[in-house]
Amino acid sequence: GESVGLHLPTLSVQEGDNSIINCAYSNSASDYFIWYKQESGKGPQFIIDIRSNMDKRQGQRVTVLLNKTVKHLSLQIAATQPGDSAVYFCAELKSRGYQKVTFGTGTKLQVIP
Amino acid sequence: GAVVSQHPSRVICKSGTSVKIECRSLDFQATTMFWYRQFPKQSLMLMATSNEGSKATYEQGVEKDKFLINHASLTLSTLTVTSAHPEDSSFYICSARSRTGDTQYFGPGTRLTVL
Repeated sequence: GESVGLHLPTLSVQEGDNSIINCAYSNSASDYFIWYKQESGKGPQFIIDIRSNMDKRQGQRVTVLLNKTVKHLSLQIAATQPGDSAVYFCAELKSRGYQKVTFGTGTKLQVIP
Repeated sequence: GAVVSQHPSRVICKSGTSVKIECRSLDFQATTMFWYRQFPKQSLMLMATSNEGSKATYEQGVEKDKFLINHASLTLSTLTVTSAHPEDSSFYICSARSRTGDTQYFGPGTRLTVL
């Protein structure tokens, strides 16, 4: 089902440190996962994705880890910068059939200068 | 990455009026478009899925007669909020997916305020 949160958990990180944002997904049939970044008043922006046949994928300063055994997804941001401050959502979907994307509740990342 | 636009970015309307929001895919053909609503400090809630040339599929609890969706072309979908009430005030976001991809690309959102 869809996730609705009454408030967003917040992660505060010192500028330059690494950030790790975690997400638990709900559907064991999901085989495609995406991390989105949403800045205040804007739409979600694609960051990185991973398919279920992988357990790790790296992008520029970001790494996504997938643990299908415990249905856990994480986003690692290296050398966090003030511009990384935003809300981060994980999303899951089943790539065959009806492709409904289910969003996690989101985590607010605050970068302390 | 692919670009999706929304218009208007902000709209204020009186209670009882109707508001139309446009979602366009600018550099790809979107066979499927999605409409979401987002309340402050909450996640995105899928309202409906529209495929080009066919009727939209609405999520449970979303009134199809209140939220009219039209996906008449491969680059344009519209959401019309009919007889808007203050509780319809929200951030409405569309996304689009091409025929060949799994990734959804999101528009910048439309802030609707109903007085």
